[in-house]
Amino acid sequence: GDSVTQMEGPVTLSEEAFLTINCTYTATGYPSLFWYVQYPGEGLQLLLKATKADDKGSNKGFEATYRKETTSFHLEKGSVQVSDSAVYFCALSPRNSGNTPLVFGKGTRLSVIA
Amino acid sequence: DTGVSQNPRHKITKRGQNVTFRCDPISEHNRLYWYRQTLGQGPEFLTYFQNEAQLEKSRLLSDRFSAERPKGSFSTLEIQRTEQGDSAMYLCASGPQTSSGNTIYFGEGSWLTVV
Repeated sequence: GDSVTQMEGPVTLSEEAFLTINCTYTATGYPSLFWYVQYPGEGLQLLLKATKADDKGSNKGFEATYRKETTSFHLEKGSVQVSDSAVYFCALSPRNSGNTPLVFGKGTRLSVIA
Repeated sequence: DTGVSQNPRHKITKRGQNVTFRCDPISEHNRLYWYRQTLGQGPEFLTYFQNEAQLEKSRLLSDRFSAERPKGSFSTLEIQRTEQGDSAMYLCASGPQTSSGNTIYFGEGSWLTVV
């Protein structure tokens, strides 16, 4: 079945460091891909998305490019801030399944130190 | 535009009691989802509504769980005879009929602790 694999955390970075969180997926067809962020004690917020191959999603300095050839959707940010500390979830929506529920990875915890 | 609203935000209950959570989706969103999230894990799908019709249920949704969306607006998730393993955050999400890539928006979740 469809699945998402994320790099295990926690990831600890100093402020202004470069961030990469790896995400790969397994799916039939061409899914839509998402990154959600969860701050402590809160629900998930949509961070960015890409709906077809080679699309780049971006928001708040974060970027991810839909790579069909490597089945990946890695999250990057050039300069992290303390306020970026959160758990990041990669997710997919199967393309040809109407409104089939999103499938999530296990999440990667990011801690940014001042 | 208000977001997805869930209540109560926190619930502590004794094992064997029944609990009910409510979700108010973003207005005019006809799709509504319930997910469960335990510590250190990603959200796991429980059930999905399109308008008032419950279209899909996960095998995670045991007979003790029931969800309704009677008028196609708010939804309730009831857990009967709670067990300690039910302790988790219950997340509700909604989405419009047509959205780019099946985008959904989450509420802040309802934490359940069964003691």
